[in-house]
Amino acid sequence: NAGVTQTPKFQVLKTGQSMTLQCAQDMNHNSMYWYRQDPGMGLRLIYYSASEGTTDKGEVPNGYNVSRLNKREFSLRLESAAPSQTSVYFCASSDRRRTEQFFGPGTRLTVL
Amino acid sequence: TQLLEQSPQFLSIQEGENLTVYCNSSSVFSSLQWYRQEPGEGPVLLVTVVTGGEVKKLKRLTFQFGDARKDSSLHITAAQPGDTGLYLCAGAPLGGTSYGKLTFGQGTILTVHP
Repeated sequence: NAGVTQTPKFQVLKTGQSMTLQCAQDMNHNSMYWYRQDPGMGLRLIYYSASEGTTDKGEVPNGYNVSRLNKREFSLRLESAAPSQTSVYFCASSDRRRTEQFFGPGTRLTVL
Repeated sequence: TQLLEQSPQFLSIQEGENLTVYCNSSSVFSSLQWYRQEPGEGPVLLVTVVTGGEVKKLKRLTFQFGDARKDSSLHITAAQPGDTGLYLCAGAPLGGTSYGKLTFGQGTILTVHP
């Protein structure tokens, strides 16, 4: 039982490049989330998916897109990376009936 | 938009000291959670408080939810170096379409020196 897994763990991009961050959970959770974490700003929600087939914007969605591929997987795509997207990205999941979230280990992204 | 103000942002203390971290908002939450995060890892849930006035204890950690469900505190007794980390509070909305979308505080970086 791995919980929430994320790949890659580290990534360096040049401005304008694209990439997809992968997330998978094996807890049969309905809801999944993408956050970014910047110093002094806690965790800010980028997108979330309340259930398979649905996605919705969070607090800071600009510059990102998401895909809920199936119940297990939720990916985050940066189409044209910008230095302002340098951050640590966390994926999380939760059961539909509860609010507690389980987090992955994070992806540290640097955009030059 | 719901906001959670967490204080202090930084806390540096000696082993054996006591400390309190505060989490305040003008909004009412259905529940409030505390997470702990170590460097290079994701946040891990410590506790969830649901009822106004509720107090929960986890060994040397005491969590309290305000009577009006707008604020919470985390008190650590006799801190140890192993308590070092980032502590985050997170509030859950009252329901509706926002159910499950947590609002996080900015976090408190705690350093406990031996």
